[in-house]
Amino acid sequence: SQQGEEDPQALSIQEGENATMNCSYKTSINNLQWYRQNSGRGLVHLILIRSNEREKHSGRLRVTLDTSKKSSSLLITASRAADTASYFCATGGYGGSQGNLIFGKGTKLSVKP
Amino acid sequence: DTEVTQTPKHLVMGMTNKKSLKCEQHMGHRAMYWYKQKAKKPPELMFVYSYEKLSINESVPSRFSPECPNSSLLNLHLHALQPEDSALYLCASSQQGARNTEAFFGQGTRLTVV
Repeated sequence: SQQGEEDPQALSIQEGENATMNCSYKTSINNLQWYRQNSGRGLVHLILIRSNEREKHSGRLRVTLDTSKKSSSLLITASRAADTASYFCATGGYGGSQGNLIFGKGTKLSVKP
Repeated sequence: DTEVTQTPKHLVMGMTNKKSLKCEQHMGHRAMYWYKQKAKKPPELMFVYSYEKLSINESVPSRFSPECPNSSLLNLHLHALQPEDSALYLCASSQQGARNTEAFFGQGTRLTVV
């Protein structure tokens, strides 16, 4: 079953602009992760934020987590055409297996050159 | 080596065929997973193997049969599939028992059942 909603479902921006994607989840979490998927192929892990963290940065990525609202956001700054992909948030890691992930519905990002 | 390798990349099979999907990793991960992803949907967990033993089966029909012959390999045996089983099948692996680590995904096998 899906953990929650992501919005927007689709986002189209110009190169150089910032892209913000939001994710909501339903249950308590150990961490929340963001993954990227190009053209329906494999998922690539982008960033993990722990439940006791509020903000985390990695290169052009900034993730926030609000456990009181059960929500997270992913900001991609200075977007590039190569950032065009689908982005999924995921929670899980139950039972000691960190790959037991429940994914949000995803945001399809299109960055126009 | 941080790769998860899946073969084949594409597979077309008839409803009476038997085929297998294969997955391999050499990262020493002792947890391996199969996910199914339909078009324009998020991946959904099918099976979890922990230390080569099946630990989670998310109510998957018996026409899908997983196998973990050793700590590096994961197979998914397919038999008598239906056209609605057409999807992208993703394999993943992760450290077992370690909190706050990521999962590594293969590129997937795109399966078409005709």
